Amino acid sequence: EAGVVQSPRYKIIEKKQPVAFWCNPISGHNTLYWYLQNLGQGPELLIRYENEEAVDDSQLPKDRFSAERLKGVDSTLKIQPAELGDSAVYLCASSQNMRGGDTQYFGPGTRLTVL
Amino acid sequence: AQTVTQSQPEMSVQEAETVTLSCTYDTSESDYYLFWYKQPPSRQMILVIRQEAYKQQNATENRFSVNFQKAAKSFSLKISDSQLGDAAMYFCASAQGGSEKLVFGKGTKLTVNP
Repeated sequence: EAGVVQSPRYKIIEKKQPVAFWCNPISGHNTLYWYLQNLGQGPELLIRYENEEAVDDSQLPKDRFSAERLKGVDSTLKIQPAELGDSAVYLCASSQNMRGGDTQYFGPGTRLTVL
Repeated sequence: AQTVTQSQPEMSVQEAETVTLSCTYDTSESDYYLFWYKQPPSRQMILVIRQEAYKQQNATENRFSVNFQKAAKSFSLKISDSQLGDAAMYFCASAQGGSEKLVFGKGTKLTVNP
């Protein structure tokens, strides 16, 4: 079974430029998550999708961040414009969502560097 | 609100020895789940072990086991017969029942010395 796929693995951009990250969850997983992981910290949830619906986006900075999950499978996270403080690792995870406390499976992440 | 605290930023252990990583948590819910995730330098987070709060029996997975002290809100991870491949960041996390939101601690960096 293929794991969670993310691309690109690394991205370097100038500040004020746009950037997008892509995630393909494990087949059959209805719930998809985007996390932000700063250096030396644990991941923090940005947004959670149940199928196509964003059910928890309270931590997503909506002035510059946006996300979508069309057709309830792949998802894209976008930042426009990027700021220096956005340099971090962006992790995608998925779970079956059969019940609460489901195990989340993580992708390898995208390391963003904003210059 | 949930909080997870890992008080050991770094730990080290000799190969084949046993090490225990500490974690405390706080939640107002009675239905919750606890997890230990491992993140090697390649960055892919991998589930190590999962504990359901309503189960009194401590979870075990091969060389990994937990000491779940519900009253003390403590959830430590014991790694027996440590191997070089165990070197990684270890994150403790909690999720309230009915919510898929994982709250992570800041992590413990484990070094395994040959």
